[in-house]
Formats: sequence, C-alpha cells, structure tokens
Amino acid sequence: NAGVTQTPKFRVLKTGQSMTLLCAQDMNHEYMYWYRQDPGMGLRLIHYSVGEGTTAKGEVPDGYNVSRLKKQNFLLGLESAAPSQTSVYFCASSYRMTETQYFGPGTRLLVL
Amino acid sequence: SQQGEEDPQALSIQEGENATMNCSYKTSINNLQWYRQNSGRGLVHLILIRSNEREKHSGRLRVTLDTSKKSSSLLITASRAADTASYFCATDASGTYKYIFGTGTRLKVLA
Repeated sequence: NAGVTQTPKFRVLKTGQSMTLLCAQDMNHEYMYWYRQDPGMGLRLIHYSVGEGTTAKGEVPDGYNVSRLKKQNFLLGLESAAPSQTSVYFCASSYRMTETQYFGPGTRLLVL
Repeated sequence: SQQGEEDPQALSIQEGENATMNCSYKTSINNLQWYRQNSGRGLVHLILIRSNEREKHSGRLRVTLDTSKKSSSLLITASRAADTASYFCATDASGTYKYIFGTGTRLKVLA
C-alpha cells in the first residue's frame, strides 16, 4: 500500500496563478484533511471531508477550495495564489473521526 | 480556539538519556495524539490516548494524560540519535471532526 500520496512535491507559482494539489489515499478512509504548516507554527486545518462528495471549512479556509469527487482523492485548489500562501501543505486521512490520521509527505509551495 | 501547546519548544539531550515533553490544552477532549515529524517529512503517528485512559506505552514511548489538569506528557526512554525530530500533540474538541495541533517540541539527541 502506498498510504497517502501527494502531488506535486514542490511548486513555484507567481502571484495570481492557480494550481491544484492532489492527495490520494489507498486505505479506504472516509475522512480526509488538508493542512498547512508554516515555520514556528503547528499544522493548521484548511478544509476537510467526512466522505465522498462532502467538504467543510477548517481553521484557515480563505483563498482555498476543495473537492472530493472520489473517495480516494481530495483536491486542494488555489484560484489566485498569494505570497501568504507560501507554505508546506500536508494531506491526511483517517478511518474514523477520532482515530489516527495518516499523513502524506507534503507539498512545498512557493508563491512569488 | 482550543490548542495543544507543547513545552519545551526545544530540547537537546545526550544519547541514552530520557526525553520528556509536555502538552497542555484548553477544553474537553475525546482523544489526544502524539506525532513525530522528521525534518522535511510528513507527520508520523506515535500514540493515541483516549480521554478515559491515563497512560499508554509503545516501545520506548510512554504517554500520560491528566484530564483534570488538561495536560499530557510524552516520555522517550533511552533516546537515540534517530529520535531527533519535532514532536507534536494534537487534540480534538468533543463532538468535532477536527484536531488542533500544537507548535511542537524540537528534540535533538546528540550522539
């Protein structure tokens, strides 16, 4: 099993450009999450999903959109990237709400 | 919002010593989890402790939970250089789907 995978691993964007980050999991988990991690800070939840076709806002959702069209995939979109979105983005999944979250390796995003 | 806060922010010890890091949180929880993050990598789950549990062990790891003090501690015994990493606690608020992560403790184990 690959677990949780993320693509791309690294990306550089110019301000105003758009992009989509892809998260895939092969563990048949219902719950999926997108976090961002900034220096000196813990992970902050951007959006999450409790099942296929559902999404909900987390702690810092502004400037991001998500979709969960298939159970195994959770997409994070930036419609108009801003320098403040420079960060490392982590995807995670879990079987149940209050169980262990399994993390992907992260996507490092630099917005110039 | 509730948050797990780790203490200390940074810790440097010699190989073979024990490392203790603490986590405090603000509101009632269902579970508390500890994760490890090696530099440049994703988080790896270490231990989940439920609110009705007081202590859990996993290999060289020992986690305690004191719900009356809203705090938890992670003890790593006989530390190794490979334990060098950042350690995060994550707490969930009762009835939510969301875990809140602390800012982490950076552990450095010197060989």
